[in-house]
Amino acid sequence: GAVVSQHPSWVICKSGTSVKIECRSLDFQATTMFWYRQFPKQSLMLMATSNEGSKATYEQGVEKDKFLINHASLTLSTLTVTSAHPEDSSFYICSAGPRGAREKLFFGSGTQLSVL
Amino acid sequence: GENVEQHPSTLSVQEGDSAVIKCTYSDSASNYFPWYKQELGKRPQLIIDIRSNVGEKKDQRIAVTLNKTAKHFSLHITETQPEDSAVYFCAASTHFGKGTHLIIQP
Repeated sequence: GAVVSQHPSWVICKSGTSVKIECRSLDFQATTMFWYRQFPKQSLMLMATSNEGSKATYEQGVEKDKFLINHASLTLSTLTVTSAHPEDSSFYICSAGPRGAREKLFFGSGTQLSVL
Repeated sequence: GENVEQHPSTLSVQEGDSAVIKCTYSDSASNYFPWYKQELGKRPQLIIDIRSNVGEKKDQRIAVTLNKTAKHFSLHITETQPEDSAVYFCAASTHFGKGTHLIIQP
């Protein structure tokens, strides 16, 4: 199946700093990518849909200025957690598929963010 | 927006028995329903999916049924094995249910 690569797999940062997470589709082009947040023993919560060449679409309750998304190419989307605080500590995971949300999606390996 | 409800949150079955997980969705426009299996510390893996123009789909021990009128779909696992133990998520397109922790008792 298709491969989605996500980096870094874990990051520890100080409160107030910004953290960038990358999501790459390795063997297909993705006009849309999806960013999720997952707390321990909970479900994946869709944060936003990243759209190549245009603005991301954020889910209700997700701060767009806090979670900056850039999808500058057909194989790369980035999520930047700005001015991170301890409550932003979570598992962030991206997904993408050759046909967007209408068919099979493949997930990155996730990024565990810990903000001190 | 789409709202996906999933039940039960935890399901314990004896090895060899069947397991059934049920989900409902709210947006009648949704037309793609995947099921994912997530093992501890790993990424979700697609195990089966169904589109809205199909009522049932089977892949070996796994089957999914969809009732589009009632807006609910179910996952059926037969002849359960210890390696089936994991958290299972249903989804309506990109919106996930809360997950079911499936425990297979030896």
